[in-house]
Formats: sequence, C-alpha cells, structure tokens
Amino acid sequence: TQLLEQSPQFLSIQEGENLTVYCNSSSVFSSLQWYRQEPGEGPVLLVTVVTGGEVKKLKRLTFQFGDARKDSSLHITAAQPGDTGLYLCAGAAGSARQLTFGSGTQLTVLP
Amino acid sequence: GAVVSQHPSWVICKSGTSVKIECRSLDFQATTMFWYRQFPKQSLMLMATSNEGSKATYEQGVEKDKFLINHASLTLSTLTVTSAHPEDSSFYICSASLRGPKGTGELFFGEGSRLTVL
Repeated sequence: TQLLEQSPQFLSIQEGENLTVYCNSSSVFSSLQWYRQEPGEGPVLLVTVVTGGEVKKLKRLTFQFGDARKDSSLHITAAQPGDTGLYLCAGAAGSARQLTFGSGTQLTVLP
Repeated sequence: GAVVSQHPSWVICKSGTSVKIECRSLDFQATTMFWYRQFPKQSLMLMATSNEGSKATYEQGVEKDKFLINHASLTLSTLTVTSAHPEDSSFYICSASLRGPKGTGELFFGEGSRLTVL
C-alpha cells in the first residue's frame, strides 16, 4: 500500500507570512498533484507535476517534485486569508488513474 | 476544465432508510469514476472504483452490500447507502478521471454530498 504523509497536519499563520507544506512517501509516483479544498466542497486541482526535480509556480504558490519522485512540497509566499483551506497531495503510480491521497494539511491564515 | 456534478448536495434521512447519491460527468465521458468518503478536516478515503458496465471494485474494509455502486452509463455513477445508520453520516465525494498528457490521470471532483443520518 502506498502512503503519502503530509506535514504539518495543521498550520495557523498570520497574513503575509510564508509557509511550506511537505508531502513524503517511500514509494515512487509517476505524477503528483496538489489540491485545495474548502469546507463543504470538492477538492480543486492546483497543479500536476510529472518530472523529477520539476518546479512549477502558480502566482504565490511554488510546487516542487523531488528528484526521486517520492516527495513534493508546496510553498506559499505572503499568505492571504483566501489561502485558507485543506491542502491535499495525491500521487499516481504508473498509468493508473487511481490516486493515493496524502493525509492533508489544514491551513488557516489569520488577517 | 471538466465538470463533475453531484446530487444531492446534502441529505438528511432517518436511520434505516436508503439514500442514493448521483455523480455525473457533464462534458465528458468517464469510463471510471471514484467514490470517496471524508470526515471533517481529514483526507479523502477511497471507497470504491466504479467501472462503466461492470461491477465496482471496493477497497478493503468497505462493505459492498452497504454501499451499492452502479455505473450504468458513461456519464453517471450512483452510490446508494443502504439501511443508513448515524455512523454513515459523512461527506461523500465522487470524481471522474480525465486522462491528461503522459497518462497523468487528473481527477475532477464533484461538489460533494453531505449525508446526515438521524
């Protein structure tokens, strides 16, 4: 069974601060995705990374896929209250469409 | 992007009744859909993989007779919670796979359905 561990599980910060969320596994994934979910809604895809060492930027969000494709990180610069939500990483193995979800990181950005 | 819709968004039922939740892919055909269960502030737990025209594949520990899944068409999968009990109260989410480049298997999620069993 492939497991994805996310850390931290909970994070509460002030507006304007920076933060990093980590997603780690002992398994290799062909691709890894990050989702953001708000209460009462389904997850929304933020980014997909497929190449080891890949870095993608989405405005204030920077995503990195580890060289060995076993881990990933999400860095948010100058966090805003609108960034509040549950962040989930999810990995795909091979060509399988089934994803393994990480344990989730609940982020709260205080104004 | 691809759109997946769930109905109902929320439902309250009495213990012992059955509840059906629908998951539709609105602008694409989905041969495979996934059903998840999520508890507050926790991650998604895969319950089963729904395959069009064949039986669903259930994850270990998920009762197939309790959670009936039907995928009768390429755009519709249904989850029926039979003889619901309070412990079945949860947020149920479906997703459908839209295969991206290199077979990345990107998933698009429904809005979720909040089930409360009294």
